[in-house]
Amino acid sequence: SQQGEEDPQALSIQEGENATMNCSYKTSINNLQWYRQNSGRGLVHLILIRSNEREKHSGRLRVTLDTSKKSSSLLITASRAADTASYFCATDVYGQNFVFGPGTRLSVLP
Amino acid sequence: DTGVSQNPRHKITKRGQNVTFRCDPISEHNRLYWYRQTLGQGPEFLTYFQNEAQLEKSRLLSDRFSAERPKGSFSTLEIQRTEQGDSAMYLCASSLAGNSNYGYTFGSGTRLTVV
Repeated sequence: SQQGEEDPQALSIQEGENATMNCSYKTSINNLQWYRQNSGRGLVHLILIRSNEREKHSGRLRVTLDTSKKSSSLLITASRAADTASYFCATDVYGQNFVFGPGTRLSVLP
Repeated sequence: DTGVSQNPRHKITKRGQNVTFRCDPISEHNRLYWYRQTLGQGPEFLTYFQNEAQLEKSRLLSDRFSAERPKGSFSTLEIQRTEQGDSAMYLCASSLAGNSNYGYTFGSGTRLTVV
C-alpha cells in the first residue's frame, strides 16, 4: 500500500464552493506537500508544511497537518473552474524521496 | 531560466524499439529526479541524481531502463526493448539538495506510447 493516500478519489463541486481533500500517510515524515496537476501536464507545487507546523495558508489554500493522526487536509476556498485538476499529496520521509499518493480528481462545475 | 524542460513531449514507438528522453533541470538545482506516471495514478519514483551521481534507483527500474547525468546538468532516460507496459508519462523534476523548504519543480513530462 502507498505511503500517502488521498481521499476522496474524486470530488465534484459547484463554482464558489469550498473543496476539501484529505491525505493519510503511514510513517513519520519530515514534511508534506501538495501538488496540482492539470490534465496531461506536469505537477505544480502548491504548498509545503513541515512536521512541526499545524496549519499553513497560501491565497485560497489552507493546509493542515495532524502528525498524531498522520493526516493532512487541503482546503480550497471559493473554488473556480480553473481549479479543476488532480491534487496529490507527497510525503518527504526522512532520508528518502517524496512519495506521492494516487490523487484526488477535483471537478469544479460552472 | 524557464524551469524544467523535457523533450520530446510525446513519443510513439513500436514495441522492441529503444527510446531516449532528455531532461534539462533548473540550472542551480543539483538534484534531478525521474518519475513515471500512469493514467489515474500518482507519480512513481524511478531514480534520482545529486550532481552526476545516481544515488537511488527504484525496484521499478528494470535492467531495460538506464539513466545518466554525465555532467551534473541535463539527464537522459533510456528504455531499451520497449514493452507496452512502458507506456506512461515520464516526469522529470529538480530541486536543491538541503533545501527542504521547497518542493520539486516538475517538467511537463514526456508521454510515451508503445504500440
